[in-house]
Amino acid sequence: GQQVMQIPQYQHVQEGEDFTTYCNSSTTLSNIQWYKQRPGGHPVFLIQLVKSGEVKKQKRLTFQFGEAKKNSSLHITATQTTDVGTYFCAGQEYGNKLVFGAGTILRVKS
Amino acid sequence: SQTIHQWPATLVQPVGSPLSLECTVEGTSNPNLYWYRQAAGRGLQLLFYSVGIGQISSEVPQNLSASRPQDRQFILSSKKLLLSDSGFYLCAWSPLGGVADTQYFGPGTRLTVL
Repeated sequence: GQQVMQIPQYQHVQEGEDFTTYCNSSTTLSNIQWYKQRPGGHPVFLIQLVKSGEVKKQKRLTFQFGEAKKNSSLHITATQTTDVGTYFCAGQEYGNKLVFGAGTILRVKS
Repeated sequence: SQTIHQWPATLVQPVGSPLSLECTVEGTSNPNLYWYRQAAGRGLQLLFYSVGIGQISSEVPQNLSASRPQDRQFILSSKKLLLSDSGFYLCAWSPLGGVADTQYFGPGTRLTVL
């Protein structure tokens, strides 16, 4: 079945440093989504990517969808303490359910 | 606007006791509904999903069950809890027939089985 792998599992950065998490699917996706879960909270939808090679930005966050529609990345520029949490990617094959990656836990040291 | 409710927020139960967690969605009709479990510091494990009243698909065989007695109500149950059932239980909904299965999560229930 479809698998979505996400790396790294955990990253601890100094405030102001950049951060990137990567997501890879075993199959071609119709879309990929990103979610953020703050400590103690629930996952919240951030963004959806649909087109091959698509790049979207939300302030300091940059999301990319690979040309083959099998991989994606989330890059945060100049991290802040408000960025702490777990970032999940979730991939969906055509006609199938959304499958979540294991998440990347981000800790920011001020 | 749509809202999703879960209760209780926290629960401490002894091993072998029954469980009933409830999730309700407001402001939408015919949603897809999901139950996930998250162990501490871990990812999301899909337990059940439902595309309509009385329609439940189980993803992981275990001592939990789910029911959807009404369109916007989703219930997670167990007859006898195990220690391994401890975790953060999240309910989510997505629009029926959406191009992308974007999911919106409830606040969750933290279950501790002692």
